[in-house]
Amino acid sequence: NAGVTQTPKFRVLKTGQSMTLLCAQDMNHEYMYWYRQDPGMGLRLIHYSVGEGTTAKGEVPDGYNVSRLKKQNFLLGLESAAPSQTSVYFCATRTTGGLDQPQHFGDGTRLSIL
Amino acid sequence: AQSVTQLDSHVSVSEGTPVLLRCNYSSSYSPSLFWYVQHPNKGLQLLLKYTSAATLVKGINGFEAEFKKSETSFHLTKPSAHMSDAAEYFCVVTSFGGFKTIFGAGTRLFVKA
Repeated sequence: NAGVTQTPKFRVLKTGQSMTLLCAQDMNHEYMYWYRQDPGMGLRLIHYSVGEGTTAKGEVPDGYNVSRLKKQNFLLGLESAAPSQTSVYFCATRTTGGLDQPQHFGDGTRLSIL
Repeated sequence: AQSVTQLDSHVSVSEGTPVLLRCNYSSSYSPSLFWYVQHPNKGLQLLLKYTSAATLVKGINGFEAEFKKSETSFHLTKPSAHMSDAAEYFCVVTSFGGFKTIFGAGTRLFVKA
């Protein structure tokens, strides 16, 4: 049981390049999230999805796009990478139900933009 | 609006001594609160959650937290620190509707031998 798998684990990009981060889950959860983690700032929500075919903006959506074509996958795209997007990116999933349902996290993608 | 404040960015304890990580929250309704732990180069792992069933919540690895509505606090404690507890800890509240989760800035716990 893999849970939440993020691909790739590390990547170095040059400014202006594009790339896609993949999050795959095998828990059949409806909700999926993309966060970025920067020192001293906790996790900030980029985009999220409440089901297949749906996406919504989070706290820091600028410069990112997402897609949820299949329930088990949530893709995060950077169209034109900028040094300010150097960060650790985490994907998380959550089942529906009460507010006490926790999120389940992948191990992260460490992205450096030069 | 909901918010979470972790009162200490760093906490240092000696192995075998108690741990206290402080968290205050703001919520206009009865919140769902969580503590997560993050070890280096890993994702976040759930330690415990408050579900309104009991104000004292027990989690994994000997951690527990007490929900105090009058103080709007949800502090994390452990009677005796172990070297393996060295990590970053996040206090979290779920927003109204349950779609979004608000994270504190994190507290890094150092454990000295």
